[in-house]
Amino acid sequence: DTAVSQTPKYLVTQMGNDKSIKCEQNLGHDTMYWYKQDSKKFLKIMFSYNNKELIINETVPNRFSPKSPDKAHLNLHINSLELGDSAVYFCASSRQGAVDTQYFGPGTRLTVL
Amino acid sequence: TQLLEQSPQFLSIQEGENLTVYCNSSSVFSSLQWYRQEPGEGPVLLVTVVTGGEVKKLKRLTFQFGDARKDSSLHITAAQPGDTGLYLCAGLRGSQGNLIFGKGTKLSVKP
Repeated sequence: DTAVSQTPKYLVTQMGNDKSIKCEQNLGHDTMYWYKQDSKKFLKIMFSYNNKELIINETVPNRFSPKSPDKAHLNLHINSLELGDSAVYFCASSRQGAVDTQYFGPGTRLTVL
Repeated sequence: TQLLEQSPQFLSIQEGENLTVYCNSSSVFSSLQWYRQEPGEGPVLLVTVVTGGEVKKLKRLTFQFGDARKDSSLHITAAQPGDTGLYLCAGLRGSQGNLIFGKGTKLSVKP
């Protein structure tokens, strides 16, 4: 069974559209994250949730809104998509905070045309 | 400014050669992690170093954390094609902080 799964794997859309990426972990972890990896492979944290509560929100435009319906899921909704949003988005989870090992999902490649 | 500088950015070597990847910062980290990422996949943790001066070995990979906990290195002995991938270092500042990643070293080991 996949520990951290994301859907979809690929997402191609037009500028101005709204889209969502889903993430689920079956590890029983309390903390989940969203990262953005740009075309130069630079990986940067966007959000961190602990037990469904927002812990970290790193200077991300408010067009990005994470939602955690339960501690096993952390979805990312993006409004009014822009060209610069094109990247690979990774979901990750850890048992309790960033001091514990983070397990990454396979990534969602978002292309905004 | 980039908090964690990784070098080199790209490395292409022949099978059997040794190599070292560096991760440097002017900031102190409570711990430092090394990940390997293969195309189309998420990063996978290789090791976490916590104590200044700590050395950890994982088969042919040797990881070292600087005495001042500002830098780290990854040394691979007798590289193999299976070592090919993107190597990322990531530092943690404090127990409640978030991971800060370097820009990665893309390693290619040719048979």
